[in-house]
Amino acid sequence: AQSVTQLDSHVSVSEGTPVLLRCNYSSSYSPSLFWYVQHPNKGLQLLLKYTSAATLVKGINGFEAEFKKSETSFHLTKPSAHMSDAAEYFCVVSEGQAGTALIFGKGTTLSVSS
Amino acid sequence: NAGVMQNPRHLVRRRGQEARLRCSPMKGHSHVYWYRQLPEEGLKFMVYLQKENIIDESGMPKERFSAEFPKEGPSILRIQQVVRGDSAAYFCASSGSKGNQPQHFGDGTRLSIL
Repeated sequence: AQSVTQLDSHVSVSEGTPVLLRCNYSSSYSPSLFWYVQHPNKGLQLLLKYTSAATLVKGINGFEAEFKKSETSFHLTKPSAHMSDAAEYFCVVSEGQAGTALIFGKGTTLSVSS
Repeated sequence: NAGVMQNPRHLVRRRGQEARLRCSPMKGHSHVYWYRQLPEEGLKFMVYLQKENIIDESGMPKERFSAEFPKEGPSILRIQQVVRGDSAAYFCASSGSKGNQPQHFGDGTRLSIL
């Protein structure tokens, strides 16, 4: 069975400081991993995806994530937070093939202060 | 706009009424997924459909909920005899048919039950 644990329900940073959102996964298969972002009253936007190619994945808006199999982690980082980054972030795992359900973490709310 | 289109964005129903939620996938996508987001929780998979076929409905409640994706027209998620606990945001996603393609989400339908 697959599962995702987002270790922090809420993260607060100051504008211009680094962002770290932590995610651990469990999967019986070689997983595909994703980070999605959700702004208030909006749908989910794909930030980045890992599908067994390079372990360091670069996404949109300056975000990146590193797949660490030994630690079963897929943490999301950004060197410098911007006010517009304030949103809900979801770490997601799937088997990777088309037609398989996504398994979502419970989400991390990122707050950015000026 | 070639994205996933959901309507209505907001839907209010009284207990016992029926709710119909519509989803038009991205152009060229043949796979449709429905997810439900309850307050303070991540998204939970409900059902996966292709044209005229339900492929995986393992996340659907056993009663009152149904989904279809007809040959022509949008996918429909139907909830009969709604109850307060059905209040949630319902998201539709679509993907192409090739492996490892990410799911793209609509902006969701917020269902409120009075």
